[in-house]
Amino acid sequence: GQQLNQSPQSMFIQEGEDVSMNCTSSSIFNTWLWYKQDPGEGPVLLIALYKAGELTSNGRLTAQFGITRKDSFLNISASIPSDVGIYFCAGLPPGTYKYIFGTGTRLKVLA
Amino acid sequence: NAGVTQTPKFQVLKTGQSMTLQCAQDMNHNSMYWYRQDPGMGLRLIYYSASEGTTDKGEVPNGYNVSRLNKREFSLRLESAAPSQTSVYFCASSEGTGKGYGYTFGSGTRLTVV
Repeated sequence: GQQLNQSPQSMFIQEGEDVSMNCTSSSIFNTWLWYKQDPGEGPVLLIALYKAGELTSNGRLTAQFGITRKDSFLNISASIPSDVGIYFCAGLPPGTYKYIFGTGTRLKVLA
Repeated sequence: NAGVTQTPKFQVLKTGQSMTLQCAQDMNHNSMYWYRQDPGMGLRLIYYSASEGTTDKGEVPNGYNVSRLNKREFSLRLESAAPSQTSVYFCASSEGTGKGYGYTFGSGTRLTVV
């Protein structure tokens, strides 16, 4: 089946640093979603992207729908301790209505 | 609004026991989903219900059954629990299916089968 490769798997950063993560696939997608999961909670939707090339921001978070439709990127600027958690991407293949989820990027912020 | 509510939050079962995980949403969403989350595996779809009265298998349906009781409620049943079903289970809902509809997740049920 289709797979989403999410990288990095985990990262430690210093408070105030910028963070970049991405999702890639060999297949194209019609929609990209980015979620954050806090410890002990369910994922919460951060940003949704619907068109190739689209760049969308939500506060300090910015996500882009790759031009090839096979990838997406999430950037967090000036990280703070509450950014800690697992970030998931999810892609919607054409002709389906079931999202495929990446394996997550675990972010740890050092104060 | 409560959003998506899952019960119980924690459960320990013995191998062979059965149980039902409950999920209810109060957002008038049409579609509901059950996922399991295992370390390093991301979220895998077990079953989904595109609309009231319909259910379909996802990626990993073996060992599970579901019931879409009404528009609000979607339950997941383990008939004979196995240690391989130890996982965190998430219920989600969406207004519709396909492009333009993101999912709202519950806070999860942490199940251990011993």
